[in-house]
Amino acid sequence: DGGITQSPKYLFRKEGQNVTLSCEQNLNHDAMYWYRQDPGQGLRLIYYSQIVNDFQKGDIAEGYSVSREKKESFPLTVTSAQKNPTAFYLCATSGGDGAKNIQYFGAGTRLSVL
Amino acid sequence: GDSVTQMEGPVTLSEEAFLTINCTYTATGYPSLFWYVQYPGEGLQLLLKATKADDKGSNKGFEATYRKETTSFHLEKGSVQVSDSAVYFCALRDSGNTPLVFGKGTRLSVIA
Repeated sequence: DGGITQSPKYLFRKEGQNVTLSCEQNLNHDAMYWYRQDPGQGLRLIYYSQIVNDFQKGDIAEGYSVSREKKESFPLTVTSAQKNPTAFYLCATSGGDGAKNIQYFGAGTRLSVL
Repeated sequence: GDSVTQMEGPVTLSEEAFLTINCTYTATGYPSLFWYVQYPGEGLQLLLKATKADDKGSNKGFEATYRKETTSFHLEKGSVQVSDSAVYFCALRDSGNTPLVFGKGTRLSVIA
């Protein structure tokens, strides 16, 4: 079944803890993205990667880190430096060339602080 | 930089009412334009898109026309249903696989 798998669906973080959100895709897409969604603020871009072993900061990268060692995977680590991590996190992918390409989204991970 | 401005919500309509959600954009080039929909607790799904001026995207009774002269991409539906209750996002992409730029979203509630 083709698509984007985000796990876990719900995640709880303790004070001072790093947590990692998983994003896996089998769409063979080159580009992958991480967004954060807070109520009333729409989607804000955290990091994106247009090719394996390369990634760029988005608008709110502070307190987050990523890696892109495989085409299929783009995990996001929320570090202890991110003081307000409670949000809904969305992973997306895009393939092919050109601005007309659709961005596909996973079902999201909801992160809360204990 | 590129930006998208959507009308503020929430929007509450009765079933079978006409829907318009305004969207205007600022971009340096000739962007592709998109409408996405998000149902509660889910990710975003593409609703429709248009890739050049005067293109009309349509899906599930929703329509939007790419108006270059007014830099707009307003979403319309002639008769909304309760099942259309969701958050709607307007977005643009200027080139390649750069990330989409999103508006803040408009929450629509349709009551029976």
